[in-house]
Amino acid sequence: TQLLEQSPQFLSIQEGENLTVYCNSSSVFSSLQWYRQEPGEGPVLLVTVVTGGEVKKLKRLTFQFGDARKDSSLHITAAQPGDTGLYLCAENQFYFGTGTSLTVIP
Amino acid sequence: ETGVTQTPRHLVMGMTNKKSLKCEQHLGHNAMYWYKQSAKKPLELMFVYNFKEQTENNSVPSRFSPECPNSSHLFLHLHTLQPEDSALYLCASSQGTGRTGEQFFGPGTRLTVL
Repeated sequence: TQLLEQSPQFLSIQEGENLTVYCNSSSVFSSLQWYRQEPGEGPVLLVTVVTGGEVKKLKRLTFQFGDARKDSSLHITAAQPGDTGLYLCAENQFYFGTGTSLTVIP
Repeated sequence: ETGVTQTPRHLVMGMTNKKSLKCEQHLGHNAMYWYKQSAKKPLELMFVYNFKEQTENNSVPSRFSPECPNSSHLFLHLHTLQPEDSALYLCASSQGTGRTGEQFFGPGTRLTVL
C-alpha cells in the first residue's frame, strides 16, 4: 500500500476564485481516481486517469496526471459554493489519501 | 430507493453493546465493500464481498463481523467496540468481480462509541 499525500489539507476561498489541489504518491499509480464527498454523504467519483500526462476536464474542473504517474492535480476555475466538499484522491480505487477540505464562501 | 442506502445514519453505543449496520444496494451490483473513515485518516477498506463471498479482510479486529446474505445486502455486526472505533462507516458497491468497476458509496453511518 502506497502513501498518498494530499495538499493542502484545508482550503477556504471566495466564490469566483481559482484553486488547485494536489495528490502525491511515493510510487507509481496504476490508476488514479478523484472523488468529491459532500457533508453527510459518501464519496462520488469525479474522474479516473490512467495515462501519464493525461488531462481531463469536467466542466470547471481540470484533472492532470503527472508524466511519471506519481502525482496529480485538480484545478477548479471560478469556484462556486456548490464545489464545497472533501476532495479525495485514490490509487486503483481502493487506497485513499486524507483529502483536501474545500470551503467556497459566497 | 435508489443507489446505495445505509441504516442507521447515526448510532451511539456503549462498549458493551451489540449493534448492526445495514447496507442495501439497488444497482444490481455483485461486489460490496465496508470502509471506515476516521478524522484525519484516509478511508480504510475493511472488507470486500463478491457474489456473497468474502474475498478480503484487511486485518480488521474480530469485534467487527460482516455478513453478506445476498449480493444486495451487507451487514456489519458490532460488539465490544472501543472508543477509537468511532468513525463514519461507509458501504459501497460495484459491478465486476470485486475491486473492479466504479464504486458507488452510501451516505454512511456515523458511529460514536462511548
